Amino acid sequence: AQTVTQSQPEMSVQEAETVTLSCTYDTSESDYYLFWYKQPPSRQMILVIRQEAYKQQNATENRFSVNFQKAAKSFSLKISDSQLGDAAMYFCAYRSGVQGAQKLVFGQGTRLTINP
Amino acid sequence: EAEVAQSPRYKITEKSQAVAFWCDPISGHATLYWYRQILGQGPELLVQFQDESVVDDSQLPKDRFSAERLKGVDSTLKIQPAELGDSAMYLCASSPRYRSTEAFFGQGTRLTVV
Repeated sequence: AQTVTQSQPEMSVQEAETVTLSCTYDTSESDYYLFWYKQPPSRQMILVIRQEAYKQQNATENRFSVNFQKAAKSFSLKISDSQLGDAAMYFCAYRSGVQGAQKLVFGQGTRLTINP
Repeated sequence: EAEVAQSPRYKITEKSQAVAFWCDPISGHATLYWYRQILGQGPELLVQFQDESVVDDSQLPKDRFSAERLKGVDSTLKIQPAELGDSAMYLCASSPRYRSTEAFFGQGTRLTVV
């Protein structure tokens, strides 16, 4: 079974600075997808960024980018120019590429605090 | 913008009572998930539907939990009888049929069992 590990329960950063959240995963599959989800205090989970395992290029969405190291099974999220609205729980998630095995497997989450 | 609808937002129930949660996925989404999220932890899958069929319920405590999606649209998750350890956030999510798309989550139902 696939597992996702987030080793940083909490992180904090000064507003406008850059922060990196870590994620490692374990799988024997070669076809899969990785996600970072954000869960603000209102609790609705929203997608931040997605990475397809077959793509070597790291995904980027505005201030959010990932460092995908497939051999090391590492998938970190970098948030540049941190804003107060970035404060939330961040979850790393894995999804198999096998048809019919589409559940998301989540890590334990990292609580990100933005200091003004 | 289309959203996953869940109700109720909050529910307090006494242990041994029955409780039910409702989810209406984004229109046209074939896959529906129910996740349980204990405070401070990541969500864990309880059950996954593809249309009206269950494709994964391996982590669903079937002695007390049941889920249905009769017409392949909205879904109900039931707990009977509720136990103190069931206190958690219950999240519903949906995704289109194709595998590469992310799941879209509702706001969840916060259950407190007293």
